[in-house]
Amino acid sequence: GQQVMQIPQYQHVQEGEDFTTYCNSSTTLSNIQWYKQRPGGHPVFLIQLVKSGEVKKQKRLTFQFGEAKKNSSLHITATQTTDVGTYFCAGPEETSGSRLTFGEGTQLTVNP
Amino acid sequence: GAGVSQSPRYKVAKRGQDVALRCDPISGHVSLFWYQQALGQGPEFLTYFQNEAQLDKSGLPSDRFFAERPEGSVSTLKIQRTQQEDSAVYLCASSPRGKTSSNQPQHFGDGTRLSIL
Repeated sequence: GQQVMQIPQYQHVQEGEDFTTYCNSSTTLSNIQWYKQRPGGHPVFLIQLVKSGEVKKQKRLTFQFGEAKKNSSLHITATQTTDVGTYFCAGPEETSGSRLTFGEGTQLTVNP
Repeated sequence: GAGVSQSPRYKVAKRGQDVALRCDPISGHVSLFWYQQALGQGPEFLTYFQNEAQLDKSGLPSDRFFAERPEGSVSTLKIQRTQQEDSAVYLCASSPRGKTSSNQPQHFGDGTRLSIL
């Protein structure tokens, strides 16, 4: 079945440093979604990318969708302690449009 | 409430007991999903409802797991004869529309943390 992989699994940064997480799918995706889960919390939707090569920005967060629609990245500029959490990418199964396959996530910790 | 509500937040059961987990989605949301999240892992799909119809249950790990949404709103996930490997956080999510629901953001509840002793 479809696999969605994320690297790195963990990332520790000093406040003010940049952070990037990468997501790769074993199959072509119609779209990709990114979620953030704070410690003890639930996943919260951040953004959805649909078009090949699409780039979207949300303040210090930049999201990219690869040209082949099989990979994506999330880049955070000048991290803050409020960025702490686990970032998940998720893509729909091709054979079943209803279900999302989540990556294992990248857990970000920010040292003040 | 405005968000997805799940109860109980925590559930401790002895191995072999049956448990029932409740999800109250956002009012009017057509699609409802159940996920299982193990510690340090991403959510894993269990089952999907469009209104009262269970359209995909391919993620349910065994026939001990059963889900229903009889009136197209509240959903219950039931686990019979629980085993230790069932210990996890069970997340419910909803989204507004039915068709092409994977193209829509999913709104998650806080989950039920299930511990099987």
